[in-house]
Amino acid sequence: EVQLVESGGGLVQPGGSLRLSCAASSLTFSASEMHWVRQAPGKGLEWVAYISSTGSSIHYADSVRGRFIISRDNAKNSLYLQMNSLRAEETAVYYCARGLERGWFDPWGQGTLVTVSS
Amino acid sequence: SFGLTQPPSVSVSPGQTARISCSAATLPNHYASWYQQKPGQAPLLIIYKDSQRPSGIPERFSGSSSGTTVTLTISGVQAEDEADYYCQSTDSNVTYRRWVFGGRTKLTVL
Repeated sequence: EVQLVESGGGLVQPGGSLRLSCAASSLTFSASEMHWVRQAPGKGLEWVAYISSTGSSIHYADSVRGRFIISRDNAKNSLYLQMNSLRAEETAVYYCARGLERGWFDPWGQGTLVTVSS
Repeated sequence: SFGLTQPPSVSVSPGQTARISCSAATLPNHYASWYQQKPGQAPLLIIYKDSQRPSGIPERFSGSSSGTTVTLTISGVQAEDEADYYCQSTDSNVTYRRWVFGGRTKLTVL
């Protein structure tokens, strides 16, 4: 069973950048599709980005395309999200999650909080 | 673009049956999944492929699909089932693929 642990969250000013990491505990990571999903305080879930097991296929939500970059290092069992030009409304808990059959998400990490504020 | 429409809230008494609907025009062509989220916790997958239940999820949770609506049914609701519930599906064409969540339904156990 894959277990996921996010890190890298924190306080960043509007317009700033932050890089999130997600460490996977299982050797099956290299065969797993992965996603980033976020949740603003008191709000619902919003899908952010997807990357295939090899990194050859990537998709982004319209709201982050051109500013966020998803990547992975299968040798390190790690997933990343480089976030640039951050906006106050992107304050949220960011979760990484494994994607299954290009449909659903399981399991999820515990999330890392990103606060965009001056 | 498309959205998944869920009722904002559902209330039931313990032991009763709760039903949460999720509607979208794309649902006849794409599977739906359901997630449970309790305060301060990450979401938990409870139904996938419209009606499949992951191992470890109690049998009182079930899913069904009819046309443009999928439904999460919780039979014999327990106090511990009080949580937010999200449906989720996908949308795609030759140029893009995206994953979408419904707007959240808060289940209150009276």
